Amino acid sequence: ILNVEQSPQSLHVQEGDSTNFTCSFPSSNFYALHWYRWETAKSPEALFVMTLNGDEKKKGRISATLNTKEGYSYLYIKGSQPEDSATYLCAFHNEKLTFGTGTRLTIIP
Amino acid sequence: DAMVIQNPRYQVTQFGKPVTLSCSQTLNHNVMYWYQQKSSQAPKLLFHYYDKDFNNEADTPDNFQSRRPNTSFCFLDIRSPGLGDAAMYLCATSISMSRGLTNEKLFFGSGTQLSVL
Repeated sequence: ILNVEQSPQSLHVQEGDSTNFTCSFPSSNFYALHWYRWETAKSPEALFVMTLNGDEKKKGRISATLNTKEGYSYLYIKGSQPEDSATYLCAFHNEKLTFGTGTRLTIIP
Repeated sequence: DAMVIQNPRYQVTQFGKPVTLSCSQTLNHNVMYWYQQKSSQAPKLLFHYYDKDFNNEADTPDNFQSRRPNTSFCFLDIRSPGLGDAAMYLCATSISMSRGLTNEKLFFGSGTQLSVL
């Protein structure tokens, strides 16, 4: 059974502050690491698919880093806005996609 | 817009009464997946289709079945729902991730929240 862990489970952040959270995964048989954003009542939406150790990806105020040797990825949000409130899911891809339980982010106006 | 559509958004069924959840896609993707997510847990893959090839996960209960009559549609049938089957059911698609392409992403529907009374 693959273990994909995300921390923290939930997070409250003041609007304008920056934040980050973690996804840890097995360091063997790595294909890719996915990040998805899931807003309430909407479809989960892919943010990043990362395949190489040392990868850094950026989309607007959101960025992610990847360390496949030690088995972790960080997601960073700079200058949080209310629309960033969502659950952020990571998923480890090695033959199939195994999801973590997510980090539920709430931005406080 | 091309998308993955799940109906209904909320489904209520009775204990033991068969229920079918539906998913359609306009992306023309080869692969369609069904995930189950219970409260505070990770989405769990139940099965997927690569075209017409059905791939069941080893720990998916026999109570759960799936049909894919054509590229666009996929159904999840729960033959005798129990209280433990109450969950969010997510449908997703990909071009061909299950066949080894590593830089693909999943496209999700917005899910069906199933309640069992």
